[in-house]
Amino acid sequence: DTGVSQNPRHKITKRGQNVTFRCDPISEHNRLYWYRQTLGQGPEFLTYFQNEAQLEKSRLLSDRFSAERPKGSFSTLEIQRTEQGDSAMYLCASSLGGDIRVASGNTIYFGEGSWLTVV
Amino acid sequence: GESVGLHLPTLSVQEGDNSIINCAYSNSASDYFIWYKQESGKGPQFIIDIRSNMDKRQGQRVTVLLNKTVKHLSLQIAATQPGDSAVYFCAEGDSSYKLIFGSGTRLLVRP
Repeated sequence: DTGVSQNPRHKITKRGQNVTFRCDPISEHNRLYWYRQTLGQGPEFLTYFQNEAQLEKSRLLSDRFSAERPKGSFSTLEIQRTEQGDSAMYLCASSLGGDIRVASGNTIYFGEGSWLTVV
Repeated sequence: GESVGLHLPTLSVQEGDNSIINCAYSNSASDYFIWYKQESGKGPQFIIDIRSNMDKRQGQRVTVLLNKTVKHLSLQIAATQPGDSAVYFCAEGDSSYKLIFGSGTRLLVRP
């Protein structure tokens, strides 16, 4: 499977605990994105990386959230002191480094997501 | 704020008929639009995209139409099949590289 890989696929945690999700993008994709999706809604942008540099963060990404991409390959999304409102599916996506508006090869491809349930 | 919306939350069609899913967008600066299909418990799957310098683009059984005048986007699926049952999202993007999604339309295919 050469698509975007995410793990764990499901995580149930108690409120106040920390959780970490991992994303392995499609190889050779320089750009990596994190989105969050709640039931019945479309995905919402959280942050994105160009190689190892985090270039933009949404205001949805509170101080309890941190994302890293230390070597420009895989990325982790950590949520500290989880709250029930954090329950959602966390989606990772990747694309080539070019302008998404220019060529089809720069399309953003999503992984299968990591479901988080905070109890 | 800017948003992408959908006219119908649920669309039910007979197998073999054509489906049309509509989407309105409000950000006039958006110049890239994309349709995703999402099955239950899975991530969004790319269907087709279109850039603002085009008004129509065709793929395999799918066609996307873009009307910039009224800020409207549609996805047409020909000869709808049971495997097409899913939630369909349109999303808009610009030079910021992030996509703004609508809330989705559920497509139900009746046998």
